[in-house]
Amino acid sequence: EDQVTQSPEALRLQEGESSSLNCSYTVSGLRGLFWYRQDPGKGPEFLFTLYSAGEEKEKERLKATLTKKESFLHITAPKPEDSATYLCAVQNTGGFKTIFGAGTRLFVKA
Amino acid sequence: GAGVSQTPSNKVTEKGKYVELRCDPISGHTALYWYRQSLGQGPEFLIYFQGTGAADDSGLPNDRFFAVRPEGSVSTLKIQRTERGDSAVYLCASSTTGGTGELFFGEGSRLTVL
Repeated sequence: EDQVTQSPEALRLQEGESSSLNCSYTVSGLRGLFWYRQDPGKGPEFLFTLYSAGEEKEKERLKATLTKKESFLHITAPKPEDSATYLCAVQNTGGFKTIFGAGTRLFVKA
Repeated sequence: GAGVSQTPSNKVTEKGKYVELRCDPISGHTALYWYRQSLGQGPEFLIYFQGTGAADDSGLPNDRFFAVRPEGSVSTLKIQRTERGDSAVYLCASSTTGGTGELFFGEGSRLTVL
């Protein structure tokens, strides 16, 4: 069964303190791995799609990378406005169900 | 353009009552998903539509839950004989690429069962 595990559950950073969020996944065949951002009371907002090991995507202070077993979301010099829950999700080649992890709650203090 | 619209935004009901939650996807999006999200958890897959048909309903927890999309656009999630454990935020998402790409989410319907 497809599974997504995210760590840590919560991460507290000072403004400017770079760090990484981890997403470990188990899937029989990976169609795509997705990163979303979710603010309180809102629906998830798409950030990146990664399709194959070695692929990297960047957007502002965020960079997502992918290996055969995990993905990392690197946050460089975060700002308080980066505070949110970051969700990782996978889609299996056998269908179109997108399975989400529990998320990492990021808090960035000024 | 308009995003995914979900109504109601909040619904409070009593145990045992029937509830309908509505999702209006982005125009032209053929794929539509329903998810359920409990506090502190990630979205839990319920059902996926491609057009009018339910292509994957493996996430529906039991036969009290049912969803329809009769004209391939608006979808309704129906919950019969609600239980306190059904309390959660119900999220709807749509996609333009047959479900293989980015999902566009609505803001959710918060259901509270007393």
